[in-house]
Amino acid sequence: DQQVKQNSPSLSVQEGRISILNCDYTNSMFDYFLWYKKYPAEGPTFLISISSIKDKNEDGRFTVFLNKSAKHLSLHIVPSQPGDSAVYFCAAQYNFNKFYFGSGTKLNVKP
Amino acid sequence: EAGVVQSPRYKIIEKKQPVAFWCNPISGHNTLYWYRQNLGQGPELLIRYENEEAVDDSQLPKDRFSAERLKGVDSTLKIQPAELGDSAVYLCASSLDRTTDTQYFGPGTRLTVL
Repeated sequence: DQQVKQNSPSLSVQEGRISILNCDYTNSMFDYFLWYKKYPAEGPTFLISISSIKDKNEDGRFTVFLNKSAKHLSLHIVPSQPGDSAVYFCAAQYNFNKFYFGSGTKLNVKP
Repeated sequence: EAGVVQSPRYKIIEKKQPVAFWCNPISGHNTLYWYRQNLGQGPELLIRYENEEAVDDSQLPKDRFSAERLKGVDSTLKIQPAELGDSAVYLCASSLDRTTDTQYFGPGTRLTVL
């Protein structure tokens, strides 16, 4: 039972434009959400997180939005840069228990 | 600061053979995780350690998988015997403690079982 889903396996965006990566979850008990970025042959690296008590968290070019009623999470990257090309995973957790990861979205930012 | 170290980076074995992976977490990190990532999927937790105690191993196939974290630092994950379906990337991660949101991942070990 996949509790966290990323329905878009890939996304292609022009440099300078906005990248929007989406994530849906099924468990309403999740109270913490994270995005990880992964380059080939490397482990995932933490990007940004959001608590369920918030609906937005911003860090430089990266903003995460949380819509609890829709059980939907999104990551916005503005402006997108070629170095952002990677696989992005969303993850969810409740009560400091294990993280559930989505299957990832491969972002390609074209110069 | 050194990151999470894993070895080997790649391993190719024949089915029914044993295999072991090693992880050295970031110094001072009490919580250590082992994940398995199948092709095209996100990481799935196999086991989590708080210091030397395994506090969540519900997803670890205990008939063939074992793990240990002696002295609460390094950890090894073993598969014996390996099956074709065990081919995956095995990721180790660590965090200061389980309440810390940031897990730092190692580069992973890519296992191929022939």
